[in-house]
Amino acid sequence: GAGVSQTPSNKVTEKGKYVELRCDPISGHTALYWYRQSLGQGPEFLIYFQGTGAADDSGLPNDRFFAVRPEGSVSTLKIQRTERGDSAVYLCASSFGLAGGEQFFGPGTRLTVL
Amino acid sequence: GENVEQHPSTLSVQEGDSAVIKCTYSDSASNYFPWYKQELGKRPQLIIDIRSNVGEKKDQRIAVTLNKTAKHFSLHITETQPEDSAVYFCAASGASGGSYIPTFGRGTSLIVHP
Repeated sequence: GAGVSQTPSNKVTEKGKYVELRCDPISGHTALYWYRQSLGQGPEFLIYFQGTGAADDSGLPNDRFFAVRPEGSVSTLKIQRTERGDSAVYLCASSFGLAGGEQFFGPGTRLTVL
Repeated sequence: GENVEQHPSTLSVQEGDSAVIKCTYSDSASNYFPWYKQELGKRPQLIIDIRSNVGEKKDQRIAVTLNKTAKHFSLHITETQPEDSAVYFCAASGASGGSYIPTFGRGTSLIVHP
């Protein structure tokens, strides 16, 4: 069956550039999460959507990061003026329902900022 | 916010031995505790989870125990096999303003030697 997919799998960009990372959740999953994972660390929460709205964006590190989910399905994480410290694997996960459900992760996008 | 500590960071065992990974959490309101397995270069996958109304849960060679009073939970893997080698993450979450935001531990790298 179709799981969570993310594109691109790898993205190399230069410092100061703008990037967009895409997440396609499992069909019917209303909750969608973005995480950032650095080497040797656990996933770090960025933002959570319930439907089309961002229910919690407290994990976004600064205003260079923004995410949308206009139709309640696909989500795009947008990073402006990228910095070398933004280099990490960006994971997306989705789950069915509101709280306490199993999260299904995508394969991640490895972002490298040169 | 929630703080999750995970130990050990690395665990090396012989095939057939048992492995135990421990996590502590800080927020007594947390009520859902999943464990994820992440193989090198792959996405995290849920292997077992437990809710705060249960003290122990088993699934074949894997078990999780929860001590709400002490705010710690553990993953137990018996009869380890080389394919169990991976990084394991614990997480804790609860309702916070109606959303579900898991906090992950830093991970334990389990190495099972044949």
